[in-house]
Amino acid sequence: EAQVTQNPRYLITVTGKKLTVTCSQNMNHEYMSWYRQDPGLGLRQIYYSMNVEVTDKGDVPEGYKVSRKEKRNFPLILESPSPNQTSLYFCASSLGTGGSTEAFFGQGTRLTVV
Amino acid sequence: KQEVTQIPAALSVPEGENLVLNCSFTDSAIYNLQWFRQDPGKGLTSLLLIQSSQREQTSGRLNASLDKSSGRSTLYIAASQPGDSATYLCAVRRWGGGNKLTFGTGTQLKVEL
Repeated sequence: EAQVTQNPRYLITVTGKKLTVTCSQNMNHEYMSWYRQDPGLGLRQIYYSMNVEVTDKGDVPEGYKVSRKEKRNFPLILESPSPNQTSLYFCASSLGTGGSTEAFFGQGTRLTVV
Repeated sequence: KQEVTQIPAALSVPEGENLVLNCSFTDSAIYNLQWFRQDPGKGLTSLLLIQSSQREQTSGRLNASLDKSSGRSTLYIAASQPGDSATYLCAVRRWGGGNKLTFGTGTQLKVEL
């Protein structure tokens, strides 16, 4: 089954404790990205990757890091989480760019930083 | 800067009604527009994708239209059912800038028995 898999689904952590949220897709998609969803603000892009070893900032990259060492994986790293990073996070992938490109999303990771 | 607006923010209808959800965007330089469904605490499920060169797409009871020149899209749901209750999001993919999707804040739909 074609899917985007995020782990963990739920995470509660303390301020400053480094964490990684994993994302993996099995569709051989080149493009992957991370979004956060906050009430009243909608989904906003954090980082994206056009291909292996190619990453760039989205609209809200502060406090986050990513890496793309393999095509299928795109982990999101919070080196020193803060309470304002409490949010619902989504990983997405798509085959490429262009009009027929459909985005597929993971099930989300609900992160709470206390 | 692309901005996407969805009206209404919330909608409650009796079962069986036909309904229309609206999405507007400010920049017509888009590749496509995608409608998603989000259930509470769940991920986003893609419903329909309309390419910028297309006018509409249909899937079952769902029909989405796109008027790129006026910056509008509508999602039509026929014969609504309680199982349609969810938040519906539209997102546009713009030219350049990393293939980003810009989302509206959604319409929360409740279909009552």
